Amino acid sequence: SQQGEEDPQALSIQEGENATMNCSYKTSINNLQWYRQNSGRGLVHLILIRSNEREKHSGRLRVTLDTSKKSSSLLITASRAADTASYFCATDAGGFQKLVFGTGTRLLVSP
Amino acid sequence: KAGVTQTPRYLIKTRGQQVTLSCSPISGHRSVSWYQQTPGQGLQFLFEYFSETQRNKGNFPGRFSGRQFSNSRSEMNVSTLELGDSALYLCASSPDRGQEKLFFGSGTQLSVL
Repeated sequence: SQQGEEDPQALSIQEGENATMNCSYKTSINNLQWYRQNSGRGLVHLILIRSNEREKHSGRLRVTLDTSKKSSSLLITASRAADTASYFCATDAGGFQKLVFGTGTRLLVSP
Repeated sequence: KAGVTQTPRYLIKTRGQQVTLSCSPISGHRSVSWYQQTPGQGLQFLFEYFSETQRNKGNFPGRFSGRQFSNSRSEMNVSTLELGDSALYLCASSPDRGQEKLFFGSGTQLSVL
């Protein structure tokens, strides 16, 4: 399977703490995206990083990409209860408009 | 601008039946993709349509089919339902084939009994 792996599978933190989740993938890519999913609903796009970029920021989100290790990380700083959700990385390894999703990290942020 | 709309939100069917799910993309979006999400297999790509043509297809049996209409609305059909087809089916749209970011609907939760 081309599916990427994410770790940890689940993460529980307190409000105000930082949350870091990691994604590994198997084949070469042009870009990697992160999506958030709230409790069985649709996915919301968070950020996209291209293969020639090493780090990208968007608000409280920081994404890194290491193509030599085929891995990416998503850091959410100063977490809030509203950040509670599942987070998925997705690559274009399947081809254009054919995303390959990771297994996801379930994040629980407690007040 | 309205988001991606999927109908119905919930569906219960029995084995052997067929089902049709509907997706209305964001206005102006011409690419529509479908994904299946299950606890065991995660998120898996089903197919992608652009201008009424299927451009990509995932590794699913022929019981899974889809189409796109001239107004970019899309339907997917699953025939001869099996218990393993129980899943959340997600539709996503994007403006054109040069846009990698996808906009997802809330999904159709299909339960096969």
